[in-house]
Amino acid sequence: QQQVKQSPQSLIVQKGGISIINCAYENTAFDYFPWYQQFPGKGPALLIAIRPDVSEKKEGRFTISFNKSAKQFSLHIMDSQPGDSATYFCAATTDNTDKLIFGTGTRLQVFP
Amino acid sequence: GAVVSQHPSRVICKSGTSVKIECRSLDFQATTMFWYRQFPKQSLMLMATSNEGSKATYEQGVEKDKFLINHASLTLSTLTVTSAHPEDSSFYICSASDRVPGELFFGEGSRLTVL
Repeated sequence: QQQVKQSPQSLIVQKGGISIINCAYENTAFDYFPWYQQFPGKGPALLIAIRPDVSEKKEGRFTISFNKSAKQFSLHIMDSQPGDSATYFCAATTDNTDKLIFGTGTRLQVFP
Repeated sequence: GAVVSQHPSRVICKSGTSVKIECRSLDFQATTMFWYRQFPKQSLMLMATSNEGSKATYEQGVEKDKFLINHASLTLSTLTVTSAHPEDSSFYICSASDRVPGELFFGEGSRLTVL
């Protein structure tokens, strides 16, 4: 019940395209859903996060869509760029612990 | 955002030796820090929660006698891998928050290679 399932495992997108990564969870106690970007040999960096009281959050080219009833959330990267090539992790936690449960990761490659 | 620094970034050691990795919050006080382990092309697995001034809380399956965690101050937590073996080779990452709930800031990670 603590798992966060993430798909796809890898994704290849052409420059300018839309990258979509999906995550699903079981634990209804989760109330904070961040997305992290990780480059090889580096620690993850927070991209964008959402709470269950909203269905969508947009920051620049990055949008999170959240479906509370389906217990699913997704990351959309608009106008994908080669510099976006990295591994993306969704995560979930409850506010009172800050213990992040990470998804399995998606390796995104954006080709020019 | 706040900065979390890890040291060393890379360490190579012989089997049987102990290695200490430091995690510092540079511009904020962190009452809680988290230690993760990441194998190549895999996700981050939470190892333990480090609380300032008290014993760390370890996740199921993590050997607390092998992975010693000390959180002696509000800006420093250390992870010591004792009697390291090749299977302990991994990327160790710490994270910290200046408040709960709050944004977690991650260190750059420390790559341990045990020969």
